[in-house]
Amino acid sequence: DGGITQSPKYLFRKEGQNVTLSCEQNLNHDAMYWYRQDPGQGLRLIYYSQIVNDFQKGDIAEGYSVSREKKESFPLTVTSAQKNPTAFYLCASSLGRGGTDTQYFGPGTRLTVL
Amino acid sequence: QKEVEQDPGPLSVPEGAIVSLNCTYSNSAFQYFMWYRQYSRKGPELLMYTYSSGNKEDGRFTAQVDKSSKYISLFIRDSQPSDSATYLCAMSAGAAGNKLTFGGGTRVLVKP
Repeated sequence: DGGITQSPKYLFRKEGQNVTLSCEQNLNHDAMYWYRQDPGQGLRLIYYSQIVNDFQKGDIAEGYSVSREKKESFPLTVTSAQKNPTAFYLCASSLGRGGTDTQYFGPGTRLTVL
Repeated sequence: QKEVEQDPGPLSVPEGAIVSLNCTYSNSAFQYFMWYRQYSRKGPELLMYTYSSGNKEDGRFTAQVDKSSKYISLFIRDSQPSDSATYLCAMSAGAAGNKLTFGGGTRVLVKP
């Protein structure tokens, strides 16, 4: 089955720790995205990547880092610099063709800071 | 002021009723408009995709875009309890990177 997988489903972090969220897709999509979702605020873009070895900051990149070493994978690291990391994190991918592109989402990772 | 405004609800309707959802936006550059459905603790799934102004129908779902008023709508006919979810509007100017701007979502509850 083609799709986007995210792991883990739930993640708990202690104060001061870095954690990495996994996102893998087998849709042969060029573009991948990371969003953060907080109650009542919709989705906000953290980082996106249109091609391997290249990525761009989104609207709320501070305290996060990403890498794109393989087309299929786009891991997100939540660093200790992120002041309020408790949220639902969603990864998405798309063909990366611009205007008519549509984004498909993974099932999400819920991160809680203890 | 947010770029995309969406009433958070909840919107409660009886089974079989028409559900009417809408979003307003301020950026006149938006050309591509989407509606996503999100069940609790799941990722959003794409429902409807519309380019520029006009109507689009897909089964029980109808999406409308009025660019002159910067207003988009989603109608769900013959609503079912399985339609109970949060509905997110999203839009894009279509530029490189295809960045989407989302509304905050409207929670819908269809009561049997």
